[in-house]
Amino acid sequence: GQNIDQPTEMTATEGAIVQINCTYQTSGFNGLFWYQQHAGEAPTFLSYNVLDGLEEKGRFSSFLSRSKGYSYLLLKELQMKDSASYLCAVMDSNYQLIWGAGTKLIIKP
Amino acid sequence: IAGITQAPTSQILAAGRRMTLRCTQDMRHNAMYWYRQDLGLGLRLIHYSNTAGTTGKGEVPDGYSVSRANTDDFPLTLASAVPSQTSVYFCASSEAPGTGGDYGKLFFGSGTQLSVL
Repeated sequence: GQNIDQPTEMTATEGAIVQINCTYQTSGFNGLFWYQQHAGEAPTFLSYNVLDGLEEKGRFSSFLSRSKGYSYLLLKELQMKDSASYLCAVMDSNYQLIWGAGTKLIIKP
Repeated sequence: IAGITQAPTSQILAAGRRMTLRCTQDMRHNAMYWYRQDLGLGLRLIHYSNTAGTTGKGEVPDGYSVSRANTDDFPLTLASAVPSQTSVYFCASSEAPGTGGDYGKLFFGSGTQLSVL
């Protein structure tokens, strides 16, 4: 079966750095996506990785290792507005997105 | 304002009633999707459409139907609602299948909170 695993909840301090991990087992691979979802709102696209390595976009970076079935989202200089759920999704061989349950990130002052 | 519009925002429905959730996009995206999101579970795909006139079943299609008469509209119908269909429903769209990046970059509507009693 296809499976995406990520921690249910994480807590971090304002101004710090946090790494949210995602491991996956899917039928084929056509890219890994990270989305941000604030409470009561819709998910919004953050990043896309299809090749191994690090993609940096401002305070957010995303890393992929296809051989390990592993990705992480790195958030630097945390701000209170970063409190949200972060969803990891993998596109399988049928170009369908398989979603993880999301990681709720709590930022404390 | 470009984007996806869903209606209604929320609805309480008696079991056995028929309900249509509306979804309209103005980005001229070919692909559209309906997801449900339940606490502790990932987004689950109900139905999708890669282009106007075609639809496909997702992971959890039972009890739901869709139509795609044109590019902009993608309504989701619950023929006879049951309590297990209580959920938050999101409509989404993406550009035509091409590179995986374009296809997987979804734009979501604001969601419909549906409660079936």
